Amino acid sequence: GENVEQHPSTLSVQEGDSAVIKCTYSDSASNYFPWYKQELGKRPQLIIDIRSNVGEKKDQRIAVTLNKTAKHFSLHITETQPEDSAVYFCAAKKHDYKLSFGAGTTVTVRA
Amino acid sequence: DVKVTQSSRYLVKRTGEKVFLECVQDMDHENMFWYRQDPGLGLRLIYFSYDVKMKEKGDIPEGYSVSREKKERFSLILESASTNQTSMYLCASSYLDSGQYFGPGTRLTVT
Repeated sequence: GENVEQHPSTLSVQEGDSAVIKCTYSDSASNYFPWYKQELGKRPQLIIDIRSNVGEKKDQRIAVTLNKTAKHFSLHITETQPEDSAVYFCAAKKHDYKLSFGAGTTVTVRA
Repeated sequence: DVKVTQSSRYLVKRTGEKVFLECVQDMDHENMFWYRQDPGLGLRLIYFSYDVKMKEKGDIPEGYSVSREKKERFSLILESASTNQTSMYLCASSYLDSGQYFGPGTRLTVT
């Protein structure tokens, strides 16, 4: 099955700096890559996604890039704010309904 | 706005009890999923369903069963609860080719 690896497992950044989280996947048939944000005690929320026919997608301060050849994708958060502190999960999906999740990155934004 | 609800936020059960966790979505999504979330292990798929009365095993189905009698409702059943099933249980739903939307979670403690 699909194997998704996510790095780093923890990330501490100064408010206003950028944060980058990287994921790799194993199955070249994967074609959909969402990112989820989970604040403490809350449900995971879909924040951005990208499909395999697109190399980059941006939504305000967050962006995702995809390199199909290298089979990796990344989440970029610019001008980080305290409310960006959360656990972030990447995921990958083929045509078989199932998402394979990374283990998560705990992001802490220091004021 | 997508709404996925779960029957309980917190549940305490005794070893050997039969436990029902219910999930309801109001977006007419074809697909529904049950995950468990444990510290350090991320999100692990227990079962999913792509249509009424259809179900597929996920990565960790042992000790669980599911029921989907109506499109909007997906139930997770622990036939005989054990202490190693103490966890956060998350339900999710999606269209065929989109991201998943999660419920608020049920924190189950088995004593």
